[in-house]
Amino acid sequence: DGGITQSPKYLFRKEGQNVTLSCEQNLNHDAMYWYRQDPGQGLRLIYYSQIVNDFQKGDIAEGYSVSREKKESFPLTVTSAQKNPTAFYLCASTDPTRGPQYFGPGTRLTVL
Amino acid sequence: GDSVTQMEGPVTLSEEACLTINCTYTATGYPSLFWYVQYPGEGLQLLLKATKADDKGSNKGFEATYRKETTSFHLEKGSVQVSDSAVYFCALSDPGANSKLTFGKGITLSVRP
Repeated sequence: DGGITQSPKYLFRKEGQNVTLSCEQNLNHDAMYWYRQDPGQGLRLIYYSQIVNDFQKGDIAEGYSVSREKKESFPLTVTSAQKNPTAFYLCASTDPTRGPQYFGPGTRLTVL
Repeated sequence: GDSVTQMEGPVTLSEEACLTINCTYTATGYPSLFWYVQYPGEGLQLLLKATKADDKGSNKGFEATYRKETTSFHLEKGSVQVSDSAVYFCALSDPGANSKLTFGKGITLSVRP
C-alpha cells in the first residue's frame, strides 16, 4: 500500500539529547514537509523540501535540522537547542501535480 | 501573508444534529482550500478540497463550497454521527507559496449518542 510512515509512534528522550524522527513515503511525491502540533493549536511548519538535496526553513526552524538525500526519506532531527521540544510531529508530502498534502500518523516526542 | 480563521470551539452536538463549522481566509493569490480531520492520536486525513471559486468539495456526507466573494469555506453536514467526533482543520494552499499549507487552529467536535 502507498503511504507515509513515521517512526517511532512514541519517543522519549532526556533533556539535552538530540533525537531523529523518521519519515518515509512511497507515493513518489517530490515535496515533503515537517509540522509541529501543540495542544489546542494548529500546525506550524518546521522545514520543507521541494526536491532531493534541497530544503527550506519554515516558520519555526530554530532548534531543528533536516536532510533530503533520497526522494522517499525526510528525517527530522530535534536538537538540544530546541527549547521546548515536547510535541506531536507530523510529516506530509504532496504529489507532483501539487495536489493536497498527505500526512503520516505522527510521532509524539516527550522530553523528560 | 496568508491566514485562516476558524470559529472558536469546542463544539458538542447530539447525534443526527446539523453541523456547520465556519472558516474564512485571507490570501494574496487564488488558493486551493482544504478541510482535514484528525482522530485522536492520529495524523491528519484529507476530508475534502476545492481548487477554485464556486467549487463544492464533498466526502462522507460533509460538504464545503469555495466562496470567493466572502472568502469562506464553511464545513457542513446534515446529520452527524458519533464517529465524526474529531478535530477539524481548515487550510489553504497558495499556488505561489511552494504548496505550503496555512492552517486554522482547528476545532474539536464531540458528538454524543
